[in-house]
Parts: sequence; C-alpha cells; structure tokens
Amino acid sequence: KNEVEQSPQNLTAQEGEFITINCSYSVGISALHWLQQHPGGGIVSLFMLSSGKKKHGRLIATINIQEKHSSLHITASHPRDSAVYICAVRSNSNYQLIWGAGTKLIIKP
Amino acid sequence: ETGVTQSPTHLIKTRGQQVTLRCSSQSGHNTVSWYQQALGQGPQFIFQYYREEENGRGNFPPRFSGLQFPNYSSELNVNALELDDSALYLCASRLGSMNTEAFFGQGTRLTVV
Repeated sequence: KNEVEQSPQNLTAQEGEFITINCSYSVGISALHWLQQHPGGGIVSLFMLSSGKKKHGRLIATINIQEKHSSLHITASHPRDSAVYICAVRSNSNYQLIWGAGTKLIIKP
Repeated sequence: ETGVTQSPTHLIKTRGQQVTLRCSSQSGHNTVSWYQQALGQGPQFIFQYYREEENGRGNFPPRFSGLQFPNYSSELNVNALELDDSALYLCASRLGSMNTEAFFGQGTRLTVV
C-alpha cells in the first residue's frame, strides 16, 4: 500500500462543476502540499498545509490531521483548471516529500 | 513564475552517454531536491542538497550524482545513460532543510535513445 493515496485517479467534469480531490496518507507528516502539473511538466505549488483550511481564489484545501486526510476543492471549475493535481506529504522523520500518484482532471467546456 | 529555472528544457542523448542537467534556485534557497518523473507516474526522489552537502538520497544508483554551488545553483549528473532514464527531471528549491515550501522548476525532458 502506498504511503500517499489519491482519489480519484481520473476525473472528467463539465465547466462550472464543483470538484473534490482526496488524499489520504499513512505516515507522520510535518506538512501536506497540493501541487498542479500541466502537460509539459512544470509543477506549481498550490498550497502547503499543516492544519485547518486554506483558500486561494477558487481553490480550497483542507486537512484533518487526526484522520490523515486532505481534500482539494475547485469551485466554478473552468477548462483551464485541467491538469494533474498531486498531493505530497513532507515526512516528519526525514523531511522528504512523499508523492501521491496524482489525479488527472479534465474540465470540458 | 517560481523563480526556479532549469536548463535545458529538452535533451536527447544516446545510451551510454553522460548528461548534466542544471537548476538555478530562488535567491537564498539553500536546499535543492531533484526528482525523476517517468511518463504517467509521480515524481521519485533522487537526492537533496543542503548547503552544498548531500543530505538525503532516494533509491537511485551511484551513477546519479549531484552538486550544489555557493550561489545555490545545482547540477544533476547521470553517467552511463540507460533507456529507462528517459523522464522529466524536476528540481525544487526551498529555504532550510526542514518544513518550508518548495518551489519547482519547469523540468528537463530527457530522452535516451
């Protein structure tokens, strides 16, 4: 079993829909990152969380430390949100990033 | 714009050759990590440098080596290239070796033929 599990693996939705991507982890962490990767490769850090909730524009990220679970939400989704969204946790033992497999999101106009 | 620049953006090499990939970190970021991302997979940790010393390494053979320079730029060197080394190579820089936000470059797409 992977230390970081994301679901769903693939998600296709219509423009305007509310999107939720989930991340569960099994190790002790100091922080959790949500990252976005567009075709062509570059990775952009969206959020770094250690507790609670953060909001940036149409993106909301939450984390429940007790349940070892985080969610990334996108409100009023748009085709430009189409990308791979990756959850990565920073281990509190060696401070290395442990990556989820990513969720491929496609938003259709 | 993350302030982290990688070069080259694309590279084609022949099996058995050696390659050097470069990463220019954000100013003042003294920690750099390198990752290999094969097509359709998540990034795999190669190694990390903090203040010019390697302080963490993933499950990669010794032919993957690195350097970090006083100006916080860094290199990833791969010797005796194999076909399976074809991947996107990402570097990420941050301040300190512990719990700080990482900033990623756009990556170098390496193809080994």
